Amino acid sequence: QSVLTQPPSVSGAPGERVTMSCTGGYTNIGAGYDVHWYQQLPGTAPKLLIYGNNNRPSGVPDRFSGSKSGISASLAITGLQAEDEADYYCQSYDTSLRGYVSGIGTKVTVL
Amino acid sequence: QVQLVQSGAEVKKPGASVKVSCKASGYTFTAYHMQWVRQAPGLGLEWMGWINPNSGGTYYAQKFQGRVTITRDTSISTVYMELRGLTSDDTAVYYCARDNPASTDWFDPWGQGTLVTVSS
Repeated sequence: QSVLTQPPSVSGAPGERVTMSCTGGYTNIGAGYDVHWYQQLPGTAPKLLIYGNNNRPSGVPDRFSGSKSGISASLAITGLQAEDEADYYCQSYDTSLRGYVSGIGTKVTVL
Repeated sequence: QVQLVQSGAEVKKPGASVKVSCKASGYTFTAYHMQWVRQAPGLGLEWMGWINPNSGGTYYAQKFQGRVTITRDTSISTVYMELRGLTSDDTAVYYCARDNPASTDWFDPWGQGTLVTVSS
């Protein structure tokens, strides 16, 4: 079990918009800690996708966006493309555990 | 460009130890903490700890305290993660990742990963 809860999977047709959630608690996201998102393509290492809740590193397409509210965060992909098929992980910090926590990941399938 | 290159896959027997290396290039090695994260099959990303390459100071996740040691060699810009008392539950891909300091640090980039298999 992970500290941050993510849905196991989401799917969508090419061009559609999909969203995925990341729910924590009052010792992590709800305590004001930022949420970061990582994309992991099959057989590769995780890659930073969104940092500081809603910031995209250079090179990340603007069809990826993040938001945070209360004890939850969300990642949205607009204009879904086949190359977006991957696992997506959210990460934050937990003051009770005194360490970094993540979800088990959401698998995005492009239909 | 910033790059982290890890050592190759390992197969260990239960009770043994493993030491994984992570060589950094493309930036000032001592300027950024290095994190270690592992990913067991079908599971999420499990944070293990970090090292300050400048001072050698470390901080470990409670789960791994007493069993993990992270060290560095500044002369070759390399960080090491040693895990002792291996069990089958330690079978995972181990990643190093450069820490990016912020109100909540993020990890970027990541090494390519090192598969550690624990099997009798």
